[in-house]
Amino acid sequence: SAVISQKPSRDICQRGTSLTIQCQVDSQVTMMFWYRQQPGQSLTLIATANQGSEATYESGFVIDKFPISRPNLTFSTLTVSNMSPEDSSIYLCSVEDRSRAGNTIYFGEGSWLTVV
Amino acid sequence: QKEVEQNSGPLSVPEGAIASLNCTYSDRGSQSFFWYRQYSGKSPELIMSIYSNGDKEDGRFTAQLNKASQYVSLLIRDSQPSDSATYLCAVNRAGGYNKLIFGAGTRLAVHP
Repeated sequence: SAVISQKPSRDICQRGTSLTIQCQVDSQVTMMFWYRQQPGQSLTLIATANQGSEATYESGFVIDKFPISRPNLTFSTLTVSNMSPEDSSIYLCSVEDRSRAGNTIYFGEGSWLTVV
Repeated sequence: QKEVEQNSGPLSVPEGAIASLNCTYSDRGSQSFFWYRQYSGKSPELIMSIYSNGDKEDGRFTAQLNKASQYVSLLIRDSQPSDSATYLCAVNRAGGYNKLIFGAGTRLAVHP
């Protein structure tokens, strides 16, 4: 499976500021996904990032709040803009690994953000 | 109705017993089904994937899928205290890329 690295792993952020999370994969992948996991909740897909095109956002998530870049097939960034305490979450980068058996999604270690 | 439903637990089993985790889903078009394990403070770790009806075994883990009943389960044999974690059921959204919909997770506690 792909090795997925995220930075920062953890941060405490001031209300109203923005933070960019980086995701690096050790192999080229077509699709990268960004998920959010709020405290005590399950995972929710934010958007899908394809290289060379605009990210596709899920219902409830907008580009102005969560701009995404995907400059090449091994890297993506997610920015959490104008943060509020409600944005305190784990943000997870994931990639799709295609095999003969089927497609599998793997996650990075996550970026744990606390907004104060 | 939630798209993916799991009993939140906690499910408490004695060490050495079989833990049975269940999940139902609403989208009949879903084709890929996954079980992830998440320890407190960690990101989800893939345990099993299953794509066709029936059973799939990997070590102490067995995933079972019944598409007609829209039901997927995970059995953990010889449960160990280290299996204590939250188990997340995930189902792909039909008709598109491999976007996953997660259940709320079942917390498993294996006591010595």
